Amino acid sequence: DADVTQTPRNRITKTGKRIMLECSQTKGHDRMYWYRQDPGLGLRLIYYSFDVKDINKGEISDGYSVSRQAQAKFSLSLESAIPNQTALYFCATSDSPGQGAGTDTQYFGPGTRLTVL
Amino acid sequence: AQSVTQPDIHITVSEGASLELRCNYSYGATPYLFWYVQSPGQGLQLLLKYFSGDTLVQGIKGFEAEFKRSQSSFNLRKPSVHWSDAAEYFCAVPYYNTDKLIFGTGTRLQVFP
Repeated sequence: DADVTQTPRNRITKTGKRIMLECSQTKGHDRMYWYRQDPGLGLRLIYYSFDVKDINKGEISDGYSVSRQAQAKFSLSLESAIPNQTALYFCATSDSPGQGAGTDTQYFGPGTRLTVL
Repeated sequence: AQSVTQPDIHITVSEGASLELRCNYSYGATPYLFWYVQSPGQGLQLLLKYFSGDTLVQGIKGFEAEFKRSQSSFNLRKPSVHWSDAAEYFCAVPYYNTDKLIFGTGTRLQVFP
C-alpha cells in the first residue's frame, strides 16, 4: 500500500464550487505539505504543517485553506474554486530532520488533477 | 533571494546515451541541494541530495550529481540512460535552511529507443 495517498485522483468542478482534497499518510511523519504544479512553473508550496497544531502559509496560499485533522491527515480546501486553480496538486510528508533544518526528504503522494471549468 | 534554475525545459536522448541535466542555484552560503524525479502519473521521488562533504553524490537508479561551488551548479548525470528514465526531473533547494523547498521549473526527459 502507498505511504502517502490522495483522494480524489481526478476532479472536475465548476467555478464557485467548494472543493476538498484529502491526503493521508502511514509514514508516521509529523510534517505535511501541499503543493500545486503548473506546467513550466514547477511546484509551489501552498500550505505546510509541522504538527497537528501548527499550520503555515506557503508561497501561494490565497484562495486556499487547510485542516490538519490528525497527524496522518491533511486536507486542502478551495472555498470558491476559480479556473486558474486548475492544476496538479501534491501532498508530501517529511520527518523531523535529524541533520538540521532543510535536510529532510519529502515523500510525495500521486497527485490530484483538478480542473475548474 | 534564493532561487533554482533549470535552463533546459526538454531534453531528448537515445537509450544508452549519457545524460546531464543542469541545475544552477542562487544562495548566499553552501546550500543543501536535492534532485527529485516525477515519473508519468506519479508523485515526486528523491533521487539524491547534497548537504556537505564529498561533492560527488550518488543516488538511486544509477544517477549521480556533482556540486560545483565555483559554478553554483548541481548537475545531474547518468552514464547510460534507460527508457524507464523518461520522466520530469526537478532540482530543489530549501528556503534559507528551513524545511520549505524551492523547486526549479523542471526538465522533461524523453528517451528514444
